[in-house]
Amino acid sequence: KAGVTQTPRYLIKTRGQQVTLSCSPISGHRSVSWYQQTPGQGLQFLFEYFSETQRNKGNFPGRFSGRQFSNSRSEMNVSTLELGDSALYLCASSSDARVGNEKLFFGSGTQLSVL
Amino acid sequence: DQQVKQNSPSLSVQEGRISILNCDYTNSMFDYFLWYKKYPAEGPTFLISISSIKDKNEDGRFTVFLNKSAKHLSLHIVPSQPGDSAVYFCAANNGNQFYFGTGTSLTVIP
Repeated sequence: KAGVTQTPRYLIKTRGQQVTLSCSPISGHRSVSWYQQTPGQGLQFLFEYFSETQRNKGNFPGRFSGRQFSNSRSEMNVSTLELGDSALYLCASSSDARVGNEKLFFGSGTQLSVL
Repeated sequence: DQQVKQNSPSLSVQEGRISILNCDYTNSMFDYFLWYKKYPAEGPTFLISISSIKDKNEDGRFTVFLNKSAKHLSLHIVPSQPGDSAVYFCAANNGNQFYFGTGTSLTVIP
């Protein structure tokens, strides 16, 4: 079974631009979660999608948005980029993140640098 | 509001000795706990988990202990190997979403 695929692996943008990150979950998984990792902050939860619906949202500004398609692939968009948005963005998939004893499977992440 | 905390940012251990990584949580509704291991430039990979109905779970060199009254869990690695050098994240699930700690960077010295 193929793992979670995130594209692109690396991205360099300038302040004010917008960016779209893509995630293809493991086949059969309907839940996709997005996390931001910065040094010292661990994994900060952005949002979770299940069957094309956003079920949970973390404490991030509205510049961060996402969506999920009918094939469970997900995209995350960040508009009006700020220097502080530089981070590793991780996508994780599971059958259903709300089911007990489920675990998340992570992609390799997209390293975003904002200059 | 950090509901899952790893208070030690780093830990160094000699090869062959025991590594103990600690994690504290505040939400008593958490019923499932996990440990993930992360190498640089890679995503976290699942290591071991424990349900709140248990107090110990073993998988080879890795053992996770859960103390619900203290809201504390720990990961023991015995014996530690240089390949174990990585960042370790603990995570908890309350049936709604996963919460992660800030990570502990483990260095195993040959």
